[in-house]
Amino acid sequence: AQSVAQPEDQVNVAEGNPLTVKCTYSVSGNPYLFWYVQYPNRGLQFLLKYITGDNLVKGSYGFEAEFNKSQTSFHLKKPSALVSDSALYFCAVRDRLGGSGNTPLVFGKGTRLSVIA
Amino acid sequence: DGGITQSPKYLFRKEGQNVTLSCEQNLNHDAMYWYRQDPGQGLRLIYYSQIVNDFQKGDIAEGYSVSREKKESFPLTVTSAQKNPTAFYLCASRNLVEAFFGQGTRLTVV
Repeated sequence: AQSVAQPEDQVNVAEGNPLTVKCTYSVSGNPYLFWYVQYPNRGLQFLLKYITGDNLVKGSYGFEAEFNKSQTSFHLKKPSALVSDSALYFCAVRDRLGGSGNTPLVFGKGTRLSVIA
Repeated sequence: DGGITQSPKYLFRKEGQNVTLSCEQNLNHDAMYWYRQDPGQGLRLIYYSQIVNDFQKGDIAEGYSVSREKKESFPLTVTSAQKNPTAFYLCASRNLVEAFFGQGTRLTVV
């Protein structure tokens, strides 16, 4: 079974400081990993994904994430936080071995990021 | 938004009524999904469909029903059997790798 853990319900960071939102996962085989962001009363917006290749993945709005297979982690990072980054962030995983390839993504419970000016 | 349209944005339901949430996509994706979002619980999978005329139950299918008569459309019906339907509902479709989400429907029981 696939699962995702986001250990922090809330992350607070001062504007201009680096931010990290943590994610660990569990899959049977090799993972596809994703980060999505959600603003109030909106759908989820795609930020970045890890499929294969370089462990450091760069995505939208200056975000990046590092795939660490030994620690089964995929933490989201940004060197300098903006107030506009304040939102709800979701990590998601899918096992590459998942049948037809259309198996659903499994999401973490989300981490609320608050960037303080 | 990725070419997925959910309607309505807000929906109010009286207890005992069935309501249907619409989800339409123009991305030519085979796979479509319905998730329910509650505060502090993340996204939970209700139903998904991998191809037209086929669908599977997710983790919390009780009290819900779906149909997939067309590739573009995957409506979700919240039945009176769903005891706690007040939530934010998200529809998604997916290519081989990435999922695209609609803007959501907030359902409130009054």
